[in-house]
Amino acid sequence: AQSVAQPEDQVNVAEGNPLTVKCTYSVSGNPYLFWYVQYPNRGLQFLLKYITGDNLVKGSYGFEAEFNKSQTSFHLKKPSALVSDSALYFCAVRDNSGYSTLTFGKGTMLLVSP
Amino acid sequence: DVKVTQSSRYLVKRTGEKVFLECVQDMDHENMFWYRQDPGLGLRLIYFSYDVKMKEKGDIPEGYSVSREKKERFSLILESASTNQTSMYLCASREGGNYGYTFGSGTRLTVV
Repeated sequence: AQSVAQPEDQVNVAEGNPLTVKCTYSVSGNPYLFWYVQYPNRGLQFLLKYITGDNLVKGSYGFEAEFNKSQTSFHLKKPSALVSDSALYFCAVRDNSGYSTLTFGKGTMLLVSP
Repeated sequence: DVKVTQSSRYLVKRTGEKVFLECVQDMDHENMFWYRQDPGLGLRLIYFSYDVKMKEKGDIPEGYSVSREKKERFSLILESASTNQTSMYLCASREGGNYGYTFGSGTRLTVV
């Protein structure tokens, strides 16, 4: 069965500094990977996805993610953090068997301080 | 933009009540999903539907059922609500297997 690990419950970064939110995955076959963001009391919003192609994927709000097949990782990055980036971030991997549902990690809270 | 609408943002129900959570999407998506979100546990799949009148159990279906009579609407039913079903419930839809989900805003259900 597929799985996602987000090893950090919380990441703290100062505004203007680069940020990284970590994700590792396990899945049979080619990985389809996603990042979502959740603001307080809201649903999840799509940020970006990796299906095939370049290992560096660009997404919404200046975020990007680096796919590394040998390390089975898909870390979310941003060169310069904003206070408004403070939110809960979820990594997800698609099930390659059956109905292609998404399995989510437990989430990482990103706190950007002024 | 695809819109997924969940009928209630906040809901308080009593133990033993039958509870209906409604979800409607406006983009003719085939697939619809119900997840619950709990702190420290992330999102867990309850049920999903890949077509009208079709349903499949997810990882935690016990105590829940679903209904999909029309393509745009996917209902989650708590047959007899219990306090351990207090949670945030998220509905999502998807065009097909290669695409990500579009989520609704969620329903925060409290069972007292």
